[in-house]
Amino acid sequence: AQSVTQLDSHVSVSEGTPVLLRCNYSSSYSPSLFWYVQHPNKGLQLLLKYTSAATLVKGINGFEAEFKKSETSFHLTKPSAHMSDAAEYFCVVSASDDKIIFGKGTRLHILP
Amino acid sequence: GAGVSQSPSNKVTEKGKDVELRCDPISGHTALYWYRQSLGQGLEFLIYFQGNSAPDKSGLPSDRFSAERTGGSVSTLTIQRTQQEDSAVYLCASRTGPRENTEAFFGQGTRLTVV
Repeated sequence: AQSVTQLDSHVSVSEGTPVLLRCNYSSSYSPSLFWYVQHPNKGLQLLLKYTSAATLVKGINGFEAEFKKSETSFHLTKPSAHMSDAAEYFCVVSASDDKIIFGKGTRLHILP
Repeated sequence: GAGVSQSPSNKVTEKGKDVELRCDPISGHTALYWYRQSLGQGLEFLIYFQGNSAPDKSGLPSDRFSAERTGGSVSTLTIQRTQQEDSAVYLCASRTGPRENTEAFFGQGTRLTVV
């Protein structure tokens, strides 16, 4: 069975500083991993996905994530935060049983 | 359609009444998922369909919850004898399947309020 742990429920950063949202996964199979973003009162949008190709994955809006099998991690980063990045971010795992499992989410706050 | 469509967008119901929530997936997507998102919580997996079959119903919270899918397309989530703790946003997603590396596309959700 697979699972996802998002290590921080809330992260606050100042505008213009780097963002790091942490995610660890557990899976019996070689998983696919995703990051989704949910802005207030909006639907879920895919940021990026890892599907066993390159371990460094680039997504939309300047976000990227690195798959580290040895650490079972898939942390999301962005070099410079923007006010519009304030949202909830979900790390997601999918394996060969077709189940899609979400982490509990990390709410990102951007300080002016 | 262009995306996953859910109806109604909002539903207020009295405790004890039954409700039906509808999901129209993206045309051609064989896999369909239902999730529940309560205030301040992550997405709780409810049930998954591959075609009209539900290989995994493990997330349904109680026997008051049921779901079906017909024609490999529209799905309905039914909650019987609603309780206040059922209040949440119910999200539906679809993807081409069965391929674990494809992304899921989400609807806007149905906000259910039980009073």
